[in-house]
Amino acid sequence: AQSVTQLDSQVPVFEEAPVELRCNYSSSVSVYLFWYVQYPNQGLQLLLKYLSGSTLVKGINGFEAEFNKSQTSFHLRKPSVHISDTAEYFCAVRVIQGAQKLVFGQGTRLTINP
Amino acid sequence: EAGVTQSPTHLIKTRGQQVTLRCSPISGHTSVYWYQQALGLGLQFLLWYDEGEERNRGNFPPRFSGRQFPNYSSELNVNALELEDSALYLCASSLFNQPQHFGDGTRLSIL
Repeated sequence: AQSVTQLDSQVPVFEEAPVELRCNYSSSVSVYLFWYVQYPNQGLQLLLKYLSGSTLVKGINGFEAEFNKSQTSFHLRKPSVHISDTAEYFCAVRVIQGAQKLVFGQGTRLTINP
Repeated sequence: EAGVTQSPTHLIKTRGQQVTLRCSPISGHTSVYWYQQALGLGLQFLLWYDEGEERNRGNFPPRFSGRQFPNYSSELNVNALELEDSALYLCASSLFNQPQHFGDGTRLSIL
């Protein structure tokens, strides 16, 4: 079975500051990794994905994430945040072969202060 | 390109009733997934349909069921509603083995 741990339930940062949202996963088989963002009263929007290849993945809205296989981590970063980045962020994994279900972390609420 | 659409957006039911939620996938997508996002429980996988067949089921009781139609749209049915079924129900679609794209969900409240 797979599991995902998002190490921070809430992260407050000031506008234009850098941010890192941490994600660790556990799996006995190879997985794909994803970050999704959920704005208030909306569904999930795919920010970025790691399927294979370069371990540094760039996504939408200036976000990037780095896959670290030895540490089983997939941390999300942005060098300078904006008020509009206020949202809940979910890390998720999916096995490469077999069931297509996503296993999500508990989410990190990112709050941007002016 | 139209995204995943879900209906209705909000629903209020009472205990013991039955409910049907609907989902239209992105055009061309053959897989549809259902997830439950309940307060305190996070996002949990419910069901996966592909090419009209149920492929995988999460750890939910049998009163949660669904189907996928020939046009790849899908319904989620919940019978004998309980208070703990109050949640946001999210539908996602994808091509097989590709990233999932989500709709805005149906918020179900049980009184």
